[in-house]
Amino acid sequence: GAGVSQTPSNKVTEKGKYVELRCDPISGHTALYWYRQSLGQGPEFLIYFQGTGAADDSGLPNDRFFAVRPEGSVSTLKIQRTERGDSAVYLCASSWSSGTDTQYFGPGTRLTVL
Amino acid sequence: QKEVEQNSGPLSVPEGAIASLNCTYSDRVSQSFFWYRQYSGKSPELIMSIYSNGDKEDGRFTAQLNKASQYVSLLIRDSQPSDSATYLCAVSPGAGSYQLTFGKGTKLSVIP
Repeated sequence: GAGVSQTPSNKVTEKGKYVELRCDPISGHTALYWYRQSLGQGPEFLIYFQGTGAADDSGLPNDRFFAVRPEGSVSTLKIQRTERGDSAVYLCASSWSSGTDTQYFGPGTRLTVL
Repeated sequence: QKEVEQNSGPLSVPEGAIASLNCTYSDRVSQSFFWYRQYSGKSPELIMSIYSNGDKEDGRFTAQLNKASQYVSLLIRDSQPSDSATYLCAVSPGAGSYQLTFGKGTKLSVIP
């Protein structure tokens, strides 16, 4: 079946603008994760959803970052007042449930803030 | 602060040799351990998962876990040029908290 999909694959924006990044998890997966990967680093956890609710948002760097998953499937990561330091690849992953650890990653969205 | 440490490499091995990748972690309550492979410009792909002390083998890959030493390793036998990638070690506390903490990755280069 289809894997995790993310759109757009690339996003270039100007400092101070607002961006939305979309993740469509594997069908049937109830757990969804957002990570951010900077060049030369491993992915860094941002937020985890179980169903519609954010079960753990401890990785969000500040209040400019927000994520939703209103129907328990597709999720949107929203970044307000973007800064150059937000430039990174934003990865989404999903798993069957919170009781299953195997996370499958999407292709990522490369965000560049000019 | 939870940390996962890996030698960044690059680690170069000749084709057909055994590649040994190592990882240490700081959080003693960690319960789940993963190795992901990441090709340049691509997303991480799960290679192995291990949950209990000892060895776990899957084809050419063997994961080894020692919780007392807070150490996990990945052995790749009969290394192939297609194994050339960055290998990420990831750790999860499990038990209701499933966020992964990743190391920076070890870049492996298999020389034909």
